[in-house]
Amino acid sequence: EAGVAQSPRYKIIEKRQSVAFWCNPISGHATLYWYQQILGQGPKLLIQFQNNGVVDDSQLPKDRFSAERLKGVDSTLKIQPAKLEDSAVYLCASSLSIGTVSYEQYFGPGTRLTVT
Amino acid sequence: AQKVTQAQTEISVVEKEDVTLDCVYETRDTTYYLFWYKQPPSGELVFLIRRNSFDEQNEISGRYSWNFQKSTSSFNFTITASQVVDSAVYFCALSEINGGATNKLIFGTGTLLAVQP
Repeated sequence: EAGVAQSPRYKIIEKRQSVAFWCNPISGHATLYWYQQILGQGPKLLIQFQNNGVVDDSQLPKDRFSAERLKGVDSTLKIQPAKLEDSAVYLCASSLSIGTVSYEQYFGPGTRLTVT
Repeated sequence: AQKVTQAQTEISVVEKEDVTLDCVYETRDTTYYLFWYKQPPSGELVFLIRRNSFDEQNEISGRYSWNFQKSTSSFNFTITASQVVDSAVYFCALSEINGGATNKLIFGTGTLLAVQP
């Protein structure tokens, strides 16, 4: 079974530029997550989708970050304009549908973003 | 408030030693899940175990074992006879059900385990 796919793996941009990350979850997983992991810290949830609807985006900096999952499968996370503090690894994860059970989340390899 | 504390920032052991990674959590919910993930140098988070709050039985999987104690809000992870390949950052995480609204993972800060040959 294929895992969670992410691209690109690495990205270097200058501050104030824009960048987009792509994620393809495990087939059949209705729930998709984007996490931000700053060096030396644990991942922090940015946004959670259930199919193509947003379940939780309370920690997403909406003035510069946006995400979509139009057909309930692939997802794109965008940053515009980027700031130095956005330098981090962006992790995509997927799991079976939420409800009264919290299933394990499977993570992709991540995109390492460096903002200069 | 939900919180996961991994007080051990770094642990260094010699191969074949046993090592225990500590995890303490805080939650107001009665229904929750606890997880352990491994993050090797390659960076990808690897799922190790999931336990729900109603199941306090300890679990063993090969050289790995987990001790869940609700009385102390702890979910500790022991590696028996450690190997160099166990070197990684290990994260403990908490997920609350919240009536199905969200099940985001709240991660600790991780413990870096270095196993020396």
